[in-house]
This record gives sequence, C-alpha cells and structure tokens, in this order.
Amino acid sequence: DAKTTQPPSMDCAEGRAANLPCNHSTISGNEYVYWYRQIHSQGPQYIIHGLKNNETNEMASLIITEDRKSSTLILPHATLRDTAVYYCIVRVHGGSNYKLTFGKGTLLTVNP
Amino acid sequence: DAGVIQSPRHEVTEMGQEVTLRCKPISGHDYLFWYRQTMMRGLELLIYFNNNVPIDDSGMPEDRFSAKMPNASFSTLKIQPSEPRDSAVYFCASSPTNYGYTFGSGTRLTVV
Repeated sequence: DAKTTQPPSMDCAEGRAANLPCNHSTISGNEYVYWYRQIHSQGPQYIIHGLKNNETNEMASLIITEDRKSSTLILPHATLRDTAVYYCIVRVHGGSNYKLTFGKGTLLTVNP
Repeated sequence: DAGVIQSPRHEVTEMGQEVTLRCKPISGHDYLFWYRQTMMRGLELLIYFNNNVPIDDSGMPEDRFSAKMPNASFSTLKIQPSEPRDSAVYFCASSPTNYGYTFGSGTRLTVV
C-alpha cells in the first residue's frame, strides 16, 4: 500500500546538489513527509520531516509543494558517502498509528 | 548516547533451532519497532510497542515469531522453530513520540 512514488535510481556528481523527487498525491492533511536513507549494510537513518513548510537541517533541505502532492529532498553538496537508498514516507502524527511503511526508495549514486 | 543496540550482529543457525534477537532502545524513547529486510520484500514492519505494550503485530509472519518487551530498556524477537526463509537482516528501531526513528545496526540471520 505504497503511498509514495520515487524514481528507482538517480546519479549525481560529487559536489553538486542532489535533488530527489517524491510524489504523494493522496497525502492526507495530517500526514507528514519523512525522508530516510540507508547506506549499504547499515540501518536506515532519519534525515528530515515536514508537514507543509520547507524544512532545513544540517543534512538536507525538504521542499514541499503548496498542494502537498509532491516534495523534493535536496542534498546541497553531495559526497561519495551520500550514496544510499533514499526513502520518502508519509506518516500521521498523533492518534495510534506510528508505523513507518518503507517502499522501494531511490538509489542515489554519487559519482566522483 | 550509544544509539539502538542490537545483538548479535550475525547469527547462523540450523533449521529448526530457536533464535533470539535482542534490542536495547534509546533511553526515553516511547516506541520500539522490529523490521525485517530481504532483497525480495524490502523493509517490512513486524511489530511495534508503545511504552512496552505491543500495539500492532499484524506484520508478524507466523506463530513461529514472537516478540516481547519486558521493560523500557530491552526487547526480544524470537523465532521458534527457525526456517531457511527466515534468513534476513532484522532491524530494531526506537522513537520518541512524533519524531524520526533511530535504527540499530541490525542482526543478519542465516538459517541453514
């Protein structure tokens, strides 16, 4: 019951910005957009989340469209260590459902 | 903060044997999650707890799987009897309310 759509793979040159898109056209008003990544052989790592405003932290920026039907994760200066599978997930806050359901994600390959 | 600690890192066992995977969540996190990852099925949520109480175990594949959380600092996932199709990486994650998960490094289980 994937609620997000991501491209299966993307490439990016080292030092350039990586822009990872995600479609979530059926998102509900109380659902947040979360991004995680999984570097090979490691557990997934939380990156950022947001509701409708753009968000930025030390790892990345999250841009959510005004209609909230899509978002973009931006890694401003990609490094080789950013090569990973990136997952976009929608999730409610509050209530009793705290599950994160992972789809297939986007394999980002950062090339030297 | 040592993060989420899982043990063992690797487990090789023979079919039919009992396997116990262990997890120590981050202190103060209300939620604990068990996931399984395989190439075929990706990351699947098996069960999650809130304040040591199981909330949703709908992802537990069969009665051979059981999970407990006797206190806020410890959880186990048990498989009895184990089968080759249980071979996977099992991740534990913990989370405070309405925030991102922190995953452990995982236990790679091989059933021969």
